[in-house]
Amino acid sequence: GAVVSQHPSRVICKSGTSVKIECRSLDFQATTMFWYRQFPKQSLMLMATSNEGSKATYEQGVEKDKFLINHASLTLSTLTVTSAHPEDSSFYICSARALAGGTDTQYFGPGTRLTVL
Amino acid sequence: EDQVTQSPEALRLQEGESSSLNCSYTVSGLRGLFWYRQDPGKGPEFLFTLYSAGEEKEKERLKATLTKKESFLHITAPKPEDSATYLCAVPDSWGKLQFGAGTQVVVTP
Repeated sequence: GAVVSQHPSRVICKSGTSVKIECRSLDFQATTMFWYRQFPKQSLMLMATSNEGSKATYEQGVEKDKFLINHASLTLSTLTVTSAHPEDSSFYICSARALAGGTDTQYFGPGTRLTVL
Repeated sequence: EDQVTQSPEALRLQEGESSSLNCSYTVSGLRGLFWYRQDPGKGPEFLFTLYSAGEEKEKERLKATLTKKESFLHITAPKPEDSATYLCAVPDSWGKLQFGAGTQVVVTP
């Protein structure tokens, strides 16, 4: 199956710093990627839709200036958490949409655990 | 508005004890129904996509089926390594996924 990678897998940072998370589709091109966050024992919460070559679309309640998304190529999207605070600590997961041969599937990355001290 | 409901919330099975998970959905136009498994601390792992009523797909001990109102994920003779949270989801026209709350499956030896 298709592979999506995320880097880093785990990051610990001080309050006030910015953190960048990369999401790559390794063996397919993804015009659309999605960013989620997940709190313990809760379901995935969609944060934003990232489209290659255009601005990201954010879900209601998600601060676009706080969570900067860049979809620079058909295989790479980045999420930057700016001026991170302890409440931003969470598990961040990306997915990439694969359209091929009449099928439309989404593959998820392994996730990034962010801890803000 | 699209709705996806999974049941049961949790399922505890003995190794070898087959069972089924349910995912009922209400959508304006089905563009596919996805099944994923998620292990703690990891991203969801893709299992199946089903597109039309009557479709079935299998992978090892898992078999997914689809009707016009619901999908079932059958686990045949489960092993402890099948323990995970199983998620179903339906996409909208933009590809945004509407997830069910998941079924947490625990298989004991």
